[in-house]
Amino acid sequence: DVKVTQSSRYLVKRTGEKVFLECVQDMDHENMFWYRQDPGLGLRLIYFSYDVKMKEKGDIPEGYSVSREKKERFSLILESASTNQTSMYLCASTSQATVDDGYTFGSGTRLTVV
Amino acid sequence: KNEVEQSPQNLTAQEGEFITINCSYSVGISALHWLQQHPGGGIVSLFMLSSGKKKHGRLIATINIQEKHSSLHITASHPRDSAVYICAVRGGTASKLTFGTGTRLQVTL
Repeated sequence: DVKVTQSSRYLVKRTGEKVFLECVQDMDHENMFWYRQDPGLGLRLIYFSYDVKMKEKGDIPEGYSVSREKKERFSLILESASTNQTSMYLCASTSQATVDDGYTFGSGTRLTVV
Repeated sequence: KNEVEQSPQNLTAQEGEFITINCSYSVGISALHWLQQHPGGGIVSLFMLSSGKKKHGRLIATINIQEKHSSLHITASHPRDSAVYICAVRGGTASKLTFGTGTRLQVTL
């Protein structure tokens, strides 16, 4: 069964901490995405990557950075966590060749910054 | 105004009812996706549409490209259909999606 695995289901961090959210996919997908989901706002794109070491800003990149050193792993980094980054974070991946076959999502990480 | 609008935002139905969720978008698209999110967060792809109609079990999705509108129908609804249904569109050659805010469906016995 193909998978996108997010390392943590729930995470509580303090304001100012550096936070790493990890996402690993086992489908050899080129494209990987980080979204955050907030009530009334839906999913919003933070960053995405089309290939190893490539990254592009999404709609709300401020306060975040990403790393893609290997094809299967896409990490989201909160350089200095703030309370307004409390949210559900979802990782997704898709193949460039079969992009309309669908996207595979991770189970999400619910991050609380206190 | 959001690029992708869904209606209704919330929907309560009794078991067995026919359900329709609507999605309108304001941009040119190459594909439209319907997704399902259960409590707890996991999201599952239901359909991808670029034209016409698709059916999978009790779920039917249609799209009208000229009117920039899509509908998701659930026939003979069941409590296990209770979830948030999300419409998302993909424009051009990029693979990123733009999402609606979702429709929360509750099906009661």
